[in-house]
Amino acid sequence: SYELTQPPSVSVSPGQTAKITCSGDALPIKEAFWFQQKPGQAPILVIYKDTKRPSGIPERFSGSGSGTTVTLTISGVQAEDEADYYCQSADSSGTYFVFGTGTKVTVL
Amino acid sequence: QVQLQESGPGLVKSSETLSLICTVSGASLRSYYWSWIRQPAGRGLEWIGRIYTTGTTSYNSSLKSRVTLSLDTSKNQVSLRLTSVTAADTAVYYCAGDDLLAGLYHGGQGILVTVSS
Repeated sequence: SYELTQPPSVSVSPGQTAKITCSGDALPIKEAFWFQQKPGQAPILVIYKDTKRPSGIPERFSGSGSGTTVTLTISGVQAEDEADYYCQSADSSGTYFVFGTGTKVTVL
Repeated sequence: QVQLQESGPGLVKSSETLSLICTVSGASLRSYYWSWIRQPAGRGLEWIGRIYTTGTTSYNSSLKSRVTLSLDTSKNQVSLRLTSVTAADTAVYYCAGDDLLAGLYHGGQGILVTVSS
């Protein structure tokens, strides 16, 4: 089955930049989406189609991609950004979706 | 404002069928694609499946033999049915409506389902 791999954790000081990677074989041909999940809450969409930001998401969230890896960047990290982040994409045939393994972002 | 509310039994016996309903307000079922996602305590998100406005479904290959999603347009509800449950199916279950390529995503708050032996 298809897998998306993320680092388990990223730590960053307030005001600095956090980068979270997501690797998967089909990412060169399938769009990636990023979700933020805070403890006890449902996930929310923060990036869609690799690089686009939904309405209401702060500009400090951005996405990029290169080959089999996509990256979520949080610039000028704030304490409220401490959360789990998950990438999501489809397999190469577009038959089904999968979530990445998840990354816990800790703001020091 | 689109709102989704999951409902159903919070406790299901092992080997029985888990049935959940997601009631949608503020949008027609024809406006979005509908998904179910689950999350065991302390673990990551798992995509269960998706149902399209045409009724076409797509399921996680590891659950495909046990899961069914359906739409009830008269009640504006999305249903999940998972058969032959085990303790491994204990999780918070979320429903979601989306048009991801348009950057639209609405999720419910989730419902905890515990499978007991």
